[in-house]
Amino acid sequence: QKEVEQDPGPLSVPEGAIVSLNCTYSNSAFQYFMWYRQYSRKGPELLMYTYSSGNKEDGRFTAQVDKSSKYISLFIRDSQPSDSATYLCAMIRSSLPNAGGTSYGKLTFGQGTILTVHP
Amino acid sequence: DTAVSQTPKYLVTQMGNDKSIKCEQNLGHDTMYWYKQDSKKFLKIMFSYNNKELIINETVPNRFSPKSPDKAHLNLHINSLELGDSAVYFCASSQRGGQVAGEQYFGPGTRLTVT
Repeated sequence: QKEVEQDPGPLSVPEGAIVSLNCTYSNSAFQYFMWYRQYSRKGPELLMYTYSSGNKEDGRFTAQVDKSSKYISLFIRDSQPSDSATYLCAMIRSSLPNAGGTSYGKLTFGQGTILTVHP
Repeated sequence: DTAVSQTPKYLVTQMGNDKSIKCEQNLGHDTMYWYKQDSKKFLKIMFSYNNKELIINETVPNRFSPKSPDKAHLNLHINSLELGDSAVYFCASSQRGGQVAGEQYFGPGTRLTVT
């Protein structure tokens, strides 16, 4: 069983739709949660990160973390064709430079969900 | 002004060959990583270096050897290439003292095909 599970999709929605992307995880040691976006043939780029349970909003994007359920979500409002990409959730045990030992900086990714927003 | 660059972008080679991928970052970061992304888009960390010191070494065959000549460069050398090594390899960097260790900046990737 993978530490982080993410439905690979693909997910196809019309422009303007609200998109919900989700990941579950099994290791309660994960402290920080990130969403990366990866366009075709490009490297991943950080979209959002969260620490505690709750919501974090940035423009059309909202990241949600529920540590009790080990479940994270990314919502995209008013989706645009330019949002078409693969969305990868990622998690990390510790962000502190002097903590975490060999796990410092070790991102564990979900498989990624392929999203297509059609006009 | 490219932040994290990798060369080459594409690499096609035969089984048994030895090849290297180079990575450079101009962000002033002190930590660099190598990731492997398989055909199903699953991205997995292989190595990380902080100030030229190896700090993460996942379960990777010892045919893979990273080398960091300075904190702005991290190269990956692969010996005796196998079909299963075909993947996209990403280099990334971050600042160890930064607020979020997960804030990593990725290069464009090197698409390796072993025939």
